Amino acid sequence: KQEVTQIPAALSVPEGENLVLNCSFTDSAIYNLQWFRQDPGKGLTSLLLIQSSQREQTSGRLNASLDKSSGRSTLYIAASQPGDSATYLCAVPNSGNTPLVFGKGTRLSVIA
Amino acid sequence: NAGVTQTPKFQVLKTGQSMTLQCAQDMNHNSMYWYRQDPGMGLRLIYYSASEGTTDKGEVPNGYNVSRLNKREFSLRLESAAPSQTSVYFCASSVRGGNYGYTFGSGTRLTVV
Repeated sequence: KQEVTQIPAALSVPEGENLVLNCSFTDSAIYNLQWFRQDPGKGLTSLLLIQSSQREQTSGRLNASLDKSSGRSTLYIAASQPGDSATYLCAVPNSGNTPLVFGKGTRLSVIA
Repeated sequence: NAGVTQTPKFQVLKTGQSMTLQCAQDMNHNSMYWYRQDPGMGLRLIYYSASEGTTDKGEVPNGYNVSRLNKREFSLRLESAAPSQTSVYFCASSVRGGNYGYTFGSGTRLTVV
């Protein structure tokens, strides 16, 4: 059974700082890895989807990398802003084309 | 751009009552999912429907039933609500399976007293 771990559980940084969020998974035979953002009391918003054949994916100030062999992914946020404050979750399919298994998330606070 | 619509947004039930959570998507997606989110537990899969006419159990199916009414709609039913079912419930959809991006609804916050 796939297990997804996110470290740290919470992170507080001053505005403008670059930061890295970590995600690890136990079964490296994944088809893709997805990063989501969740604002308090809201649903999840998809940020980035990295296919297993890709090493990284970029969207604006966000860059996600994937190392399948080591079972790790990182989400890099450049020049953080208070509006980036949210919980960030990563997820992978349990196996094959099956539903996503989620990590518990990293709660990010960017202090102005 | 409605995406995934969940109703109701909030609900309070008494123990033993029943209710149905509704979910509809307008993106012509084949797969739909129900997750629950609890503090410290993260998101856990309750049931999913890989395609119209099929449903399968997820990690925590006990106490729930689902119906894939048509391609657009996927409902979750609590037959006899228990306080342990107090949670935030999210519906999601994807083109087909976990290899495609998910779109989530805004959630239903359910309290069972």
